[in-house]
Amino acid sequence: NAGVTQTPKFRVLKTGQSMTLLCAQDMNHEYMYWYRQDPGMGLRLIHYSVGEGTTAKGEVPDGYNVSRLKKQNFLLGLESAAPSQTSVYFCASRQGQGSTYEQYFGPGTRLTVT
Amino acid sequence: AQTVTQSQPEMSVQEAETVTLSCTYDTSESDYYLFWYKQPPSRQMILVIRQEAYKQQNATENRFSVNFQKAAKSFSLKISDSQLGDAAMYFCAYRSYGGSNYKLTFGKGTLLTVNP
Repeated sequence: NAGVTQTPKFRVLKTGQSMTLLCAQDMNHEYMYWYRQDPGMGLRLIHYSVGEGTTAKGEVPDGYNVSRLKKQNFLLGLESAAPSQTSVYFCASRQGQGSTYEQYFGPGTRLTVT
Repeated sequence: AQTVTQSQPEMSVQEAETVTLSCTYDTSESDYYLFWYKQPPSRQMILVIRQEAYKQQNATENRFSVNFQKAAKSFSLKISDSQLGDAAMYFCAYRSYGGSNYKLTFGKGTLLTVNP
């Protein structure tokens, strides 16, 4: 049981390049989230999904797209990377509806855009 | 919208001593959850403790306890008998009791240093 995994762990992009971050969970969780963490800013929600085939915007969605084609995977895409997207990205998942369930976090992906 | 404020960017404590990290929040909801997460240098987010707003009793987990003051919207974390392994960034977080997405709202964090 690997929990929540993220691929890749590190990446350096040039401005204008595109990439996709992969989040995978093996806990059969319904909900999945993408956060970004910047120095002095805490974690902020980018996009989230409440089930396979659904996505919704979070607090800071601009410049990102997401897809949830399979229940276990949640992809975060950057179509044209900008230096402002240099950050650490965290994926999280939770079981489903129900107030007692917790979010489980992946190990993070450090992305640098030059 | 809910906001979470951690007014201490950095704190330090001597090993074996006690330290308290502060958190305040703003909400119009009556039912909600509050959390403290630990982020060591490995970056992994680790849930330390959680508090349900409808419970008057403060949550405790071994050396970690909270002081939850609902009327004051205050939620502090006390770490007793501090250990070197407690050194980390600590985040306070809020979540609504219900709703459609169960998203977390985080504070900006407090960096805790433990001195030997």
